[in-house]
Order: sequence, then structure tokens, then C-alpha cells
Amino acid sequence: LAKTTQPISMDSYEGQEVNITCSHNNIATNDYITWYQQFPSQGPRFIIQGYKTKVTNEVASLFIPADRKSSTLSLPRVSLSDTAVYYCLVGDHVYSSASKIIFGSGTRLSIRP
Amino acid sequence: NAGVTQTPKFRVLKTGQSMTLLCAQDMNHEYMYWYRQDPGMGLRLIHYSVGEGTTAKGEVPDGYNVSRLKKQNFLLGLESAAPSQTSVYFCASKPDRSLSTNMNTEAFFGQGTRLTVV
Repeated sequence: LAKTTQPISMDSYEGQEVNITCSHNNIATNDYITWYQQFPSQGPRFIIQGYKTKVTNEVASLFIPADRKSSTLSLPRVSLSDTAVYYCLVGDHVYSSASKIIFGSGTRLSIRP
Repeated sequence: NAGVTQTPKFRVLKTGQSMTLLCAQDMNHEYMYWYRQDPGMGLRLIHYSVGEGTTAKGEVPDGYNVSRLKKQNFLLGLESAAPSQTSVYFCASKPDRSLSTNMNTEAFFGQGTRLTVV
């Protein structure tokens, strides 16, 4: 399983764009990149998933460079409710039944008024 | 559609007692997972299952047992609880991508079980 490295914490202000970068130098050919969000006292919630280039949904964008050794989660115009822990996961759990879903330590994002 | 439901939500055990945590999902998902999360930490995988009747060890399986007799249920057992097992336990389920038309294979999590062992 590819190891991921992301900042322990980040701070920003309401209305700003927040970019959280995750490094995964040992990503394998079959690995996908998935981001989850976790609020206090709740289970994680899926945000976005991608394999290469750029993926966008109603919540966020995911940028993946050609070498796929890193990825950036972009949250446009954050609000106080975006304060949460964000996890970057890398693995072939999309197609492989044998793969585990392993979480790292995550990035604790704090949004200020 | 309830999604993933964990029972109970809270429990206090004495050292040495046993208990079973129940996870139920109504989405017909093939894969199910049990995690524990200690304060300020990320989730750690205890055990998981890729289908009815199958289980496999995760990152921290010691002290826990699991069973998946029915596809919709995944049970986590503590035979002899220890204070080190005080944690919040999360269950998750995920579809098999090869059986789904959904491009994403997101995992759905329950609301957690807060377990204290004294």
C-alpha cells in the first residue's frame, strides 16, 4: 500500500480557497486517490476520488499531476462548516477485493471567520 | 434507507468483560470494515470482510474477533476487554466496483460506537 504524507494541520478564513496536498511517491499503477472528510464525533464521509488529471464535483476538485506522486484537494470558498479532518487515501481498493482501506493521520483544517 | 447502522452507540465495560458490536448495512454492499479511532488520531483498520462468510485481519486485529454470517451484518467481538481498547469504533461498507455502475467506490461509515473500558 502506498504511504501518504499530508500536513498535520492548516488554517484558513471563510471565503478563501483551500488546497491540501498529499504526497504518495510509491503510488502503484492500479492505485486510485480518494479523499474523505471527518467532522468531530462522526464517521468519515467521501469527498472525491480520481486516478489522473483533474476531477471536479459539487464539493471539491482533485488535481493529480502526470506522475501521480502527489495530489491536491481544492475546496473553493470555504465556510466555517468545512472545519474538519481531511484524509488522503491511496490504494487499489476501487477494483481489488483484496485491498484494504487504510487511513493515515489526516489534515486538521480550521476555518476562521 | 438507513445506510450503515452501529449498535450500541455507547457502552462502558469492566476489564475482562466481553461484548459484541453490531454493524448493519442495507445497501447490499460486499465489503465491510471495522476501525478504531483514538483521540486525535486517524482511523486504524481492525478487521474487514470482502463477502459473506469471509474475514481478514487489518492493521490492529489483536484482541478482537469478527464474523460475517450474513451479508448485511458484520460483528466485532471483544472477548476480554482491556482499558487499551477504549476507543471510538467505526464500521464501514463499500460496494464491489465490478458489480456497480457507480464510477466511485466510496465507503459509507456508521456514526460510531464509543466504548470505555474501566
